[in-house]
Amino acid sequence: EDQVTQSPEALRLQEGESSSLNCSYTVSGLRGLFWYRQDPGKGPEFLFTLYSAGEEKEKERLKATLTKKESFLHITAPKPEDSATYLCAVRGGGADGLTFGKGTHLIIQP
Amino acid sequence: EAQVTQNPRYLITVTGKKLTVTCSQNMNHEYMSWYRQDPGLGLRQIYYSMNVEVTDKGDVPEGYKVSRKEKRNFPLILESPSPNQTSLYFCASRRTSSYNEQFFGPGTRLTVL
Repeated sequence: EDQVTQSPEALRLQEGESSSLNCSYTVSGLRGLFWYRQDPGKGPEFLFTLYSAGEEKEKERLKATLTKKESFLHITAPKPEDSATYLCAVRGGGADGLTFGKGTHLIIQP
Repeated sequence: EAQVTQNPRYLITVTGKKLTVTCSQNMNHEYMSWYRQDPGLGLRQIYYSMNVEVTDKGDVPEGYKVSRKEKRNFPLILESPSPNQTSLYFCASRRTSSYNEQFFGPGTRLTVL
């Protein structure tokens, strides 16, 4: 059974204070690790897909990296508008749906 | 604009009163699915469909039905809703290849009294 664990559950940062969110996973036959951003009461918004260990992707202040056991979402010099819940999900070899972690609730204070 | 739409966005109903939540996508995606999101449990898949007339159970299918008569639509049916189905529901779609990302709708907040 695929499993995804995200840490920390919540993170409060000052504007400009860089940090990283962690996503640990166990999956048989990874067919993709996905990062989403979710604002309160809204649907998850796609950010990145990573397929293999060593891969990295960037978008504005966000950078996602992948190893064989975990992924990190690095946020550099965050702004208040980066406040959201960040979800990590995997698609394994045995299932067609996504297995989601419970998310990291990120708050960026001005 | 490429999007997944859901209706209604909010619904309060009573136990046992059948309801349908509609989902439509305009991206010509073959794959569609339904998730529910609950505090402390995260997003869990209810049902999915690989294409027209092809549906299958996800992780939490009990109490739900789906149909896929057209490529763009994938309604979620609760024939006899119960309070434990109070949740936030999301429809999602993607292209067939399992490596592709899923796009989510805006969500339907359902309360069953």
